[in-house]
Amino acid sequence: QSVLTQPPSVSGAPGQRVTISCTGSSSNIGAGYDVHWYQQLPGTAPKLLIYGNSNRPSGVPDRFSGSKSGTSASLAISGLQAEDEADYYCQSYDSSLSGSVFGGGTKLTVL
Amino acid sequence: EVQLVESGGGLVQPGRSLRLSCAASGFTFDDYAMHWVRQAPGKGLEWVSGISWNSGSIGYADSVKGRFTISRDNAKNSLYLQMNSLRAEDTALYYCAKDGARYSSSWYYAFDIWGQGTMVTVSS
Repeated sequence: QSVLTQPPSVSGAPGQRVTISCTGSSSNIGAGYDVHWYQQLPGTAPKLLIYGNSNRPSGVPDRFSGSKSGTSASLAISGLQAEDEADYYCQSYDSSLSGSVFGGGTKLTVL
Repeated sequence: EVQLVESGGGLVQPGRSLRLSCAASGFTFDDYAMHWVRQAPGKGLEWVSGISWNSGSIGYADSVKGRFTISRDNAKNSLYLQMNSLRAEDTALYYCAKDGARYSSSWYYAFDIWGQGTMVTVSS
């Protein structure tokens, strides 16, 4: 069981907006540590999507946005496209474990 | 082009050892912390270990502590993972990843560059 909890799956039709939640605790997200998000397309390595809760690396479309509040964070994807179909992972630091931790991952299906 | 290339994976019997390598290029390797992240078949990502830019800070996941050793050779732009006492549950694709913050000695930051991974299978 992952330290950060994500829904196993979400889905949406093209053009719609979906959100993926990432729930932590007082030793990670709730302690103020940043949350980062990764996109993993089938058969490929993870790619950084959002860093520092809400910042997009160069080249990531502004359809992707991140937010954080309390012990949780969210990734929002608007204007859903077929190529967004992938697994998404959140990541943070956990002070109890003294290490980086990932969520269990969420599979996004574009209907 | 910024690139990370892992090597050294393969099939190994339980209890044996394996050493993974990661060759970095396209960035100033000795300015950045580096990490190993693994992904078991059909499963999610798991942080395995991290090492600061100057090897002064090292961290491990509880699942590998005491069995795995991370190291780096800045002169060779290379990262390593020595894996001893391997178990079936260590079977995974092992990724090398670059920390996003310069001169970081902690594991707070995002991993901005990833390699393609090297597969480790532990089986008799």
